[in-house]
Amino acid sequence: DVKVTQSSRYLVKRTGEKVFLECVQDMDHENMFWYRQDPGLGLRLIYFSYDVKMKEKGDIPEGYSVSREKKERFSLILESASTNQTSMYLCASRNQEAFFGQGTRLTVV
Amino acid sequence: KQEVTQIPAALSVPEGENLVLNCSFTDSAIYNLQWFRQDPGKGLTSLLLIQSSQREQTSGRLNASLDKSSGRSTLYIAASQPGDSATYLCAAPARGSYIPTFGRGTSLIVHP
Repeated sequence: DVKVTQSSRYLVKRTGEKVFLECVQDMDHENMFWYRQDPGLGLRLIYFSYDVKMKEKGDIPEGYSVSREKKERFSLILESASTNQTSMYLCASRNQEAFFGQGTRLTVV
Repeated sequence: KQEVTQIPAALSVPEGENLVLNCSFTDSAIYNLQWFRQDPGKGLTSLLLIQSSQREQTSGRLNASLDKSSGRSTLYIAASQPGDSATYLCAAPARGSYIPTFGRGTSLIVHP
């Protein structure tokens, strides 16, 4: 059974903290993605990666960075968390078919 | 840039009905289209992937069709059940891209 695993289901962080969201896939996919999902706005692409150490900005990269040191792992970093980054974060990987993790509900207080 | 639209935004039906969910996309030069299901507070679960060379795909009570020339895909759900209640999303990449662009989804409620 293919799997994309996100490190946390729920996180509560304070404003200004540095936050790491981890995502691991076991399908040897080259392409990995981070989205955020907000009511009324749908899924918006933050960053994606098509290979180890390669990354590209998506539609809303401001306030975020990413790291892909190994093929199976793609990390999203909030450099200084703010309340407007409270959201559901979704990681995905794909070659042909896309698979998603279970999501991380992040609340910044 | 690819734009994906899903109609209707919400649907409430009695159990047993056959349903059609619609997805339209602006750039028809896609190489595949994918349908997902999302339960509240959860991630997305892949339902069906249709390659550009295919006209339809079936999985159990689900059937997805693809008409690239008109920029449309439909998801047909036969004999709906309360357990089908969820949000259904479609995703298609833009020309020359592997990045899925998502519609806003159709929120489905099947009541007993």
